[in-house]
This record gives sequence, structure tokens and C-alpha cells, in this order.
Amino acid sequence: AQTVTQSQPEMSVQEAETVTLSCTYDTSESDYYLFWYKQPPSRQMILVIRQEAYKQQNATENRFSVNFQKAAKSFSLKISDSQLGDAAMYFCAYRSANFGNEKLTFGTGTRLTIIP
Amino acid sequence: GAVVSQHPSRVICKSGTSVKIECRSLDFQATTMFWYRQFPKQSLMLMATSNEGSKATYEQGVEKDKFLINHASLTLSTLTVTSAHPEDSSFYICRAPGMNTEAFFGQGTRLTVV
Repeated sequence: AQTVTQSQPEMSVQEAETVTLSCTYDTSESDYYLFWYKQPPSRQMILVIRQEAYKQQNATENRFSVNFQKAAKSFSLKISDSQLGDAAMYFCAYRSANFGNEKLTFGTGTRLTIIP
Repeated sequence: GAVVSQHPSRVICKSGTSVKIECRSLDFQATTMFWYRQFPKQSLMLMATSNEGSKATYEQGVEKDKFLINHASLTLSTLTVTSAHPEDSSFYICRAPGMNTEAFFGQGTRLTVV
């Protein structure tokens, strides 16, 4: 079974600064997908960024980028120019690429606080 | 874009009663729906997977008789918490998979059993 670990229960960053959230995972599969989801106080899950394991290039979405280290099974999220609206719980998630297996396994989450 | 509508968003019920939570896919057909439970300040734990036209698949440790899941049609999946107790109080979220690893989450239901 796959597991996802987020070792930082809470993080804080000054507004406009950069912060990195850590995530490691364990799997025996060679092809899979990794995600970062944001859960603001509304509790609605919002996709931040997605990475396909077969792609070596790190995914980027505006101020959000990842550092995907497949051999180390590490998938960190970097948020640049942090904004007050970035304050939320962030969950790292894993999904197999096997056809028909659409389960998402979530990490325990990191609560991000933005300091004005 | 595709939307999953989850209702109710909040419900308070008395201990011993049953509560039904609905998730509807509004502009697409969801043959599968995942149901999660989230305790305060914790992660989303998969409870079960519903499939249209077949029985739901429950994760280990989830009581099938307490958490009844039905996938009545290609646009509707329901979770019924039967004989609710205070320990069932939690946040419940549904998710429908989409094309190309997309995931469509419901807005969640906060259940409080008093």
C-alpha cells in the first residue's frame, strides 16, 4: 500500500516571502501521479498542482512549483511571493497510474499561516 | 467545469437517528464516487467507493451497516449514517474522478450528532 507523509504539521511565512512544504511517499509502482491540494477554511478541496511521475520536469503553476525527486520519493511544494489567500491546509496526495485505480491517498496535511 | 454538488453542507441530528448525505454530479456522469471522512485538523480518510450498478467497496475498519452507500444513478451517490452517535460527528466529503486524473470534490458535509 502507498503511504504519504507530511512531516510539517504547521508552517508560517511572511507575506511576499517563499515557503516550501515537504512531502515524501512510499510506493512500489513506477508510474503514478502526485498532487498538492489546498483546503481553505471553507473546506473545499482545490487542486494546486499535479506531477506525472514519468515526467522529469518539475510542474509549475504561476507562483506554485514542485521539486519532484523520484529516486528519493520526495515531492515538495514551493510557494513564491506568498499571499494572504494562500493561508490554508495543504495536502500532498498520491494516485496510481494503473487503469481503474483512481484512489487518492492523502498525507496528514500542513497548515500554512501567512504573516502580514 | 464539472461540479459535484454535495448536500447538506451542515446537519445536526439526534443520537440514534439516520442522516443521508447526497452527492450529485451536475454536468457529467460519475460511475464512481469516493467517500472520505475528515476529523478536525486531520487528513481525508477514504471510507468507501461507490460504483453505479454494483455494491460499494468499503475500506478496512469501516462499518458497512453503519455507513450505507448507494450509487443510485450515474449522477447520484448517497451516504447514509445509520443510528448516528456523537463519535460519528465529522466532516464528510465525496469525490468523483474525472478525465486525466481530475478529481471533483463535493463541498463537504459537517455532521454533528447530539
